[in-house]
Parts: sequence; structure tokens; C-alpha cells
Amino acid sequence: GEQVEQLPSILRVQEGSSASINCSYEDSASNYFPWYKQEPGENPKLIIDIRSNMERKQIQELIVLLDKKAKRFSLHITDTQPGDSAMYFCAASSYTGNYKYVFGAGTRLKVIA
Amino acid sequence: GALVYQYPRRTICKSGTSMRMECQAVGFQATSVAWYRQSPQKTFELIALSTVNSAIKYEQNFTQEKFPISHPNLSFSSMTVLNAYLEDRGLYLCGARGTGGGNTLYFGEGSRLIVV
Repeated sequence: GEQVEQLPSILRVQEGSSASINCSYEDSASNYFPWYKQEPGENPKLIIDIRSNMERKQIQELIVLLDKKAKRFSLHITDTQPGDSAMYFCAASSYTGNYKYVFGAGTRLKVIA
Repeated sequence: GALVYQYPRRTICKSGTSMRMECQAVGFQATSVAWYRQSPQKTFELIALSTVNSAIKYEQNFTQEKFPISHPNLSFSSMTVLNAYLEDRGLYLCGARGTGGGNTLYFGEGSRLIVV
């Protein structure tokens, strides 16, 4: 299968706390996992990604974790700010076939001041 | 850096008419271009993947007859939505991948189709 499941669909957190979004994938050949942030009316923008040769990657307040055995990966935003409020999409891709991206359904994050 | 420009950003078209959108890669050679659609309240559906020197591969539920794509060189691709109806409305995104290895897709700003 090629589905990517993303949860939760809606996430509300207090400013300064952490937010976590979880994704799972089916295709064991997947080896690249990007995360996109989409503001209203805008295109999705790549914010962080992780490849299958890593288990953890951090860019400032963004942390991504990858568990290949469980076929799960997650995004953690530490010290959330109102500007982090947006839609977040995970995706999985592989070098096999045509590098097709399969996206999760998205998570609407609302950071409450 | 790698940039992808899409044009037009927004189109309002009458039901049954067609809309053409363009995708331009700047700063890199787009060996593969993927066209996605984000319908209202939905995630991104892959319409087709176009790789230079290969046939364009359409996903299930999308056809060349409805969404003809042109990818004549390493910096440009276009897609037309023929006979657009309400169910075709949404944000159409072009994602381009370069020759530098890896499979990072760089997305354009999107072309929003509104059908009236």
C-alpha cells in the first residue's frame, strides 16, 4: 500500500508548549520523509525532512523522529509560538519508481497565546 | 537557490471551459515535475509525474485527456484542466525535482482554480 496516515487532524496547544504530529506509512521502500507547512492561501513550504539513514533530526525548534521498523515518523515543535499556527503535512517518498510523494491528510495546528 | 514559479496564481473560469497553468524551474534543472491537486478540505492528490525523456505517468482517476501535460525541457512544464467543472476546483501545485540527487520536491506557489 501507499497510504500515509497523519494524526491528529486538529491540534490546539498553549503558546510555549510542545506540539507533536504523528505519521505512519505502508510502503517499506519509503526512504525520504519531508514535512511541509502551509499557511492559508499559500503553497506548502518544506520546513524539515529526514532520510532513512537517520533516526532524528533537529532544526532549531523542529525535531523529526523516524522509526523505520514501526514505519512511523513524527514532527515535534518545541516552544510553540502563534506564528507556528498553520496546516502541516507529512509525506513519504522512495527512490523506487518515480520518487512519488504520498501526503498525509494534514494537521491544523493552532497555537493559543 | 532552487525556485519554482507557477502562473497564473488564480483563475476563475466558467464551467465547461479550460484552464492552462505553467510551471517554471529557476536555478536548477527539473528532471521530474509532479502535478498535485489540493481540493477544498483535502490533502494533496498526485495527478501525474512527468520525467524528461520518459512517458508521463498519470495516477488513477486522472487522465491525459482531462489533464494534458507538456514537459518540453528541463525548466518548464504546463498542464491544462480541460472542461473544468466544480469538482476540479482547488489548488494545483507543481513540484519539481532537480538533477542534484535526492528526492526533494520544490513546490511552486500554486495555481488556484475557481469554477463558476
